[in-house]
Amino acid sequence: SAVISQKPSRDICQRGTSLTIQCQVDSQVTMMFWYRQQPGQSLTLIATANQGSEATYESGFVIDKFPISRPNLTFSTLTVSNMSPEDSSIYLCSVEDGVGKGETQYFGPGTRLLVL
Amino acid sequence: RKEVEQDPGPFNVPEGATVAFNCTYSNSASQSFFWYRQDCRKEPKLLMSVYSSGNEDGRFTAQLNRASQYISLLIRDSKLSDSATYLCVVNPSGGSYIPTFGRGTSLIVHP
Repeated sequence: SAVISQKPSRDICQRGTSLTIQCQVDSQVTMMFWYRQQPGQSLTLIATANQGSEATYESGFVIDKFPISRPNLTFSTLTVSNMSPEDSSIYLCSVEDGVGKGETQYFGPGTRLLVL
Repeated sequence: RKEVEQDPGPFNVPEGATVAFNCTYSNSASQSFFWYRQDCRKEPKLLMSVYSSGNEDGRFTAQLNRASQYISLLIRDSKLSDSATYLCVVNPSGGSYIPTFGRGTSLIVHP
């Protein structure tokens, strides 16, 4: 399975600031996703990061608030812009690995964000 | 009705017990099903896929009931290390997909 790393692993930020989270995969993958998981809740898909084109956002998430980059097949960034305490959450990067395994997803370790 | 529903629990069982979780899904066209395990403050990790004929991996057995639109996970001879949250994941179609995650069922195995 793909090995995924995320940076930073955690951060405490002031409201109104922005944070960029990086996701690095050790192999080229077609599909990369960004999720949010709030305490006690399930994972909510923010967007699909498309290589070479704009990300595809899910309902309730917009590019101005969560700009995403995908410059190549092994790397993506998610920015949480103009943060408020409601953005406090765990942000997870994931990749789809369908090679011989069906459409399973593998997750990075997550970025724990606290906005004061 | 939510797309994927799970009893959040917690299920509190003694070591050695057998415990089962169910997960219901609303999209009858769903194609692929998975169980993930998430430990506290960790990312979800794939536990096992769920095949139409049912499948077993050691102490874990997964089953699919398409007619009633649910999947199940059975854990036999529970270990303390099985304590975690178990997430049901449903994929609506084959190929590249956007899966739907259940909220998870918490399991606590006590001595």
